[in-house]
Amino acid sequence: QVQLVQSGAEVKKPGASLRVSCKTSGYISATYAMNWVRQAPGQRFEWVGWISADGEITKSSQKFQGRVTLSRDTSANIVYLQVNSLRSADTAVYYCARDLGDGDGVSLDYWGQGSLVTVSS
Amino acid sequence: DIVMTQSPLSLPVTPGEPASISCRSSQSLLHSNGYNYLDWYVQKPGQSPQLLIYLGSDRASGVPDRFSGSGSGTDFTLKISRMEAEDVGVYFCMQGLQTPYTFGQGTKLDIK
Repeated sequence: QVQLVQSGAEVKKPGASLRVSCKTSGYISATYAMNWVRQAPGQRFEWVGWISADGEITKSSQKFQGRVTLSRDTSANIVYLQVNSLRSADTAVYYCARDLGDGDGVSLDYWGQGSLVTVSS
Repeated sequence: DIVMTQSPLSLPVTPGEPASISCRSSQSLLHSNGYNYLDWYVQKPGQSPQLLIYLGSDRASGVPDRFSGSGSGTDFTLKISRMEAEDVGVYFCMQGLQTPYTFGQGTKLDIK
């Protein structure tokens, strides 16, 4: 069965960097794009970024002003999210989510279990 | 950015009764290919979100047929024909047409 298993909870200081991983199994990872979504406490879900199936194309929300890098190791079936210059507003649960989309749009058919990231001095 | 607005934000429903949640977008979600890029998800207590409906009205794999999605353009509705105890959770819509993809506030559905 399809599984997306994320790395564990992290506590970071403001200004630090974070890398969250998402290991996929149960399907051919190199045939599906992946998204990252986060949910801060008490807030609605927020899209962070998208990476193509082959890892060649990435998109991220302009809100992050270049602080976000998405990558993937197709041989190991792992997708990564890196966020630099962390601030307290980045405290959230981060999810990877597989893209069911047809290329013209995005739907998220499988989600990881979530990785809690706390940014605090 | 496309703004997604759901109503109601809280919905207590008696088991066996129907439920309906509305989602409106600030821009049309209808692509030139004829599909509406509007999804419905549910996050049950202690779980990650799961896809219920995609492209406005297509049920995801394994989703019971008591769930249905309808609408086009800017107005969409999720309907549950008969509420069951296992349906308790937060339901939210998402537009997947234009980056940044955006989400509704969520509707908390519980048992009356």
